[in-house]
Amino acid sequence: QSALTQPPSASGSPGQSVTISCTGTSSDVGCYNYVSWYQHHPGKAPKLMIYEVNKRPSGVPDRFSGSKSGNTASLTVSGLQAEDEADYYCSSYAGSNIHVRFGGGTKLTVL
Amino acid sequence: QVQVQESGPGLVKPSETLSLTCSVSGYSINSGNYWGWIRQPPGKGLEWIGSIYHSGSTYSNPSLKSRVTISVDTSKNNFSLKLSSVTAADTAVYYCARELTGDRVFDYWGQGTLVTVSS
Repeated sequence: QSALTQPPSASGSPGQSVTISCTGTSSDVGCYNYVSWYQHHPGKAPKLMIYEVNKRPSGVPDRFSGSKSGNTASLTVSGLQAEDEADYYCSSYAGSNIHVRFGGGTKLTVL
Repeated sequence: QVQVQESGPGLVKPSETLSLTCSVSGYSINSGNYWGWIRQPPGKGLEWIGSIYHSGSTYSNPSLKSRVTISVDTSKNNFSLKLSSVTAADTAVYYCARELTGDRVFDYWGQGTLVTVSS
């Protein structure tokens, strides 16, 4: 079962916006509105940032937003801050057999 | 505040069984969520291993299903993972987490525990 495809790296300067893509197939991202995004600072617990494509859990800043078009989902981080530097992983529900696929992760660098 | 914490041996020999426990605090495992295990091999992405409901109902990654056993102990408010016949490919950081919606979306994660498979 192939992972979802993410760019290995992304970067932006403080205050700028950056968008990270997550490409799947018609069996996962394109089929279900159950795309999630996680922020992971190495050595710490991953944090849920977006679920169901564009919903934010309580406490997540509205600088983080999600969207989806066809088989590709995107996470946009606006007004970049130093603490946003982390690894970001997407996931998608993939049906009752596979259940969930994760992306390979994108390392976001704040320049 | 929901907290989850993994525990177990950090070193397992090839062909043996990896055993981990996830202790849940600040929330009752009986409250109706699924609870899951996810792993991350060194330098690679995340991989879902499986999830369990408080009733004992489980789902597992098809690629690992034959080797995975997930169980729950509601009296101790924890759940456990056993992965049999391990090889070096099972070396990874193992995370436990609570599911938000039952669709394999995880809202509370542990910090993870590194398990190395080596003789």
